[in-house]
Amino acid sequence: GNSVTQMEGPVTLSEEAFLTINCTYTATGYPSLFWYVQYPGEGLQLLLKATKADDKGSNKGFEATYRKETTSFHLEKGSVQVSDSAVYFCALTHLSSYKLIFGSGTRLLVRP
Amino acid sequence: DAGVIQSPRHEVTEMGQEVTLRCKPISGHDYLFWYRQTMMRGLELLIYFNNNVPIDDSGMPEDRFSAKMPNASFSTLKIQPSEPRDSAVYFCASSSLRADNEQFFGPGTRLTVL
Repeated sequence: GNSVTQMEGPVTLSEEAFLTINCTYTATGYPSLFWYVQYPGEGLQLLLKATKADDKGSNKGFEATYRKETTSFHLEKGSVQVSDSAVYFCALTHLSSYKLIFGSGTRLLVRP
Repeated sequence: DAGVIQSPRHEVTEMGQEVTLRCKPISGHDYLFWYRQTMMRGLELLIYFNNNVPIDDSGMPEDRFSAKMPNASFSTLKIQPSEPRDSAVYFCASSSLRADNEQFFGPGTRLTVL
């Protein structure tokens, strides 16, 4: 079946450090891939997405590239800020089902 | 648009009581999802609707849980009777095929069952 695997957290970084959060997936066909972010006390918000192989999603300095050959969608940011502290969820969906399959989430803590 | 609206934001109740959580999706969205989030189990999809019709309720934990969508602008998730293990944050989300399946989440309802 379809599934998403994320690196376990928490990930603790100093401000301005480089961030990578790994995400790999198992799916049939060609899913769409997403990164959602959850700030403390809030619901999830879409951070970025990619709908086909080799697409790069980007938003707020974050990037992720849809790699079909490695079934990966790693999240990166060149210089994190304290305000990036949150939980990040990788997810996939197929248009045929409309269900989002979420990873377990990775907590990021950025220290000043 | 005001986004997905959920009420109440916090609910504290005693074991055995009925709990009703409410959701208003974004206008024009034809999919509505109910999720539960706990530390132990993460984010779980409970049920989702398309055009007010339940499509997949395989995530509903047991018969104590029920969900309805009487019209395109309102849905409820009911727990009767509630138990302490139901304590969690419950999220509602909505989406539209026109938006590439991006799901928009509400702020959640934090439920505590004593």
